[in-house]
Amino acid sequence: QKEVEQDPGPLSVPEGAIVSLNCTYSNSAFQYFMWYRQYSRKGPELLMYTYSSGNKEDGRFTAQVDKSSKYISLFIRDSQPSDSATYLCAMRDYGQNFVFGPGTRLSVLP
Amino acid sequence: NAGVTQTPKFQVLKTGQSMTLQCAQDMNHNSMYWYRQDPGMGLRLIYYSASEGTTDKGEVPNGYNVSRLNKREFSLRLESAAPSQTSVYFCASSLLAGGLTDTQYFGPGTRLTVL
Repeated sequence: QKEVEQDPGPLSVPEGAIVSLNCTYSNSAFQYFMWYRQYSRKGPELLMYTYSSGNKEDGRFTAQVDKSSKYISLFIRDSQPSDSATYLCAMRDYGQNFVFGPGTRLSVLP
Repeated sequence: NAGVTQTPKFQVLKTGQSMTLQCAQDMNHNSMYWYRQDPGMGLRLIYYSASEGTTDKGEVPNGYNVSRLNKREFSLRLESAAPSQTSVYFCASSLLAGGLTDTQYFGPGTRLTVL
């Protein structure tokens, strides 16, 4: 079993839809959780960072962490064609063990 | 403020050739990283440097060497390139590896093809 699992997609939604992206993990030592967005042929860019269970909101984006279930989610409200990208979850423990999920490819259709 | 820069953007090598990928950051970060990204595999850590003067192996270090030239620069060297090293290489930096708010910032990547 991989440390971090993520559905690769592709996920296609119409403009304006609510998008839910998810990751599961097996290592209970992970304490810090991130979501990155990666446009085609570009480097990943940090979207959200959280280190506690619960929700964190930033504009149209909400990151949700459930440590008891080892499950994290990213919700995108009012999705736009410009949100079309690959979304990577990432997590690390108290040290330097940084692990990325394989990414979910999202297409938002106008 | 350019963030993390990488050179070259593209490179084609023949099997057995050597090359060095360059990375520089201007954010005064202490830690720097090299990853490779392959389809379906996600980002895999090759080497990292927690601070100037130190380097450590990541998940997939075989066939690579690194040099932390100074606080700003971290290079990745392929001594004898193999087709299995065809990939997209990303450099990243963070303020302080393992710190409470440690998050990584990425460069634009180098697309390497080994024939």
